[in-house]
Amino acid sequence: DADVTQTPRNRITKTGKRIMLECSQTKGHDRMYWYRQDPGLGLRLIYYSFDVKDINKGEISDGYSVSRQAQAKFSLSLESAIPNQTALYFCATSERAFPYGYTFGSGTRLTVV
Amino acid sequence: KQEVTQIPAALSVPEGENLVLNCSFTDSAIYNLQWFRQDPGKGLTSLLLIQSSQREQTSGRLNASLDKSSGRSTLYIAASQPGDSATYLCAVRLGSSNTGKLIFGQGTTLQVKP
Repeated sequence: DADVTQTPRNRITKTGKRIMLECSQTKGHDRMYWYRQDPGLGLRLIYYSFDVKDINKGEISDGYSVSRQAQAKFSLSLESAIPNQTALYFCATSERAFPYGYTFGSGTRLTVV
Repeated sequence: KQEVTQIPAALSVPEGENLVLNCSFTDSAIYNLQWFRQDPGKGLTSLLLIQSSQREQTSGRLNASLDKSSGRSTLYIAASQPGDSATYLCAVRLGSSNTGKLIFGQGTTLQVKP
C-alpha cells in the first residue's frame, strides 16, 4: 500500500458542485499539505496542517477548504467548483524534524466542466 | 520572494548519454533542496534531498549537487536509459519559514530515446 493515498484518482464534476478530495497517510507524519499543479505554473500550496488543531492557508486558498479529521487524514473541499480549478491536486506529508523529507501521493486529476 | 527556475524546460537525449539538469533559486536562505521525479499522470517520487550544509548527494546513477551561495543545484544522470524519461522537479524548503512548504520549479521534461 502507498504511504500517501489520495482518492479519487480522477474526477469530472460540474460547475457549482461541491467536491471533496481525500488523503490518508501511513507515514506517521504530523505535517500534511495540499498542493495544486497547473501546466507551466509548477506546484502551489493550497493549505497545510501541522496537527489536527492547526490548519493554515497557503498561497492560493480562495475557493478551497480543508478538514484534518485525524492525524492520518486530510481532506480538501471545493465548495462550489469552477472551471479554473481544473488541475492536478497533490497531498503530501512531511517529517516534523530533520531531514524534513516530503512524501507525495499519486495525485487527483480534477476536471470541472 | 523565493523563485525557483529550471532550465531547460525540455530535453531529449539518446540512450546512454550522461546529462545534467539545472535548478536555480533566488534566495540562498534555504533549509534543503529536494529533487523529485514525476511520471505522466502520477505523483512525485523523491529522488534526492540535500541539506543546506551539504554539497552533494548520490543515489545509484543520480548525483545532485548544491551550491547555496550561487543559488544553484544540478542533477546529474549517468548512462541515461529510456526508463529515465519523466519530468524532474526541484524544490527548496525555505529556511526562514516554519511552514515547511516547498517552492517548486516548473520542471524539466526529459525524453531518453532508445
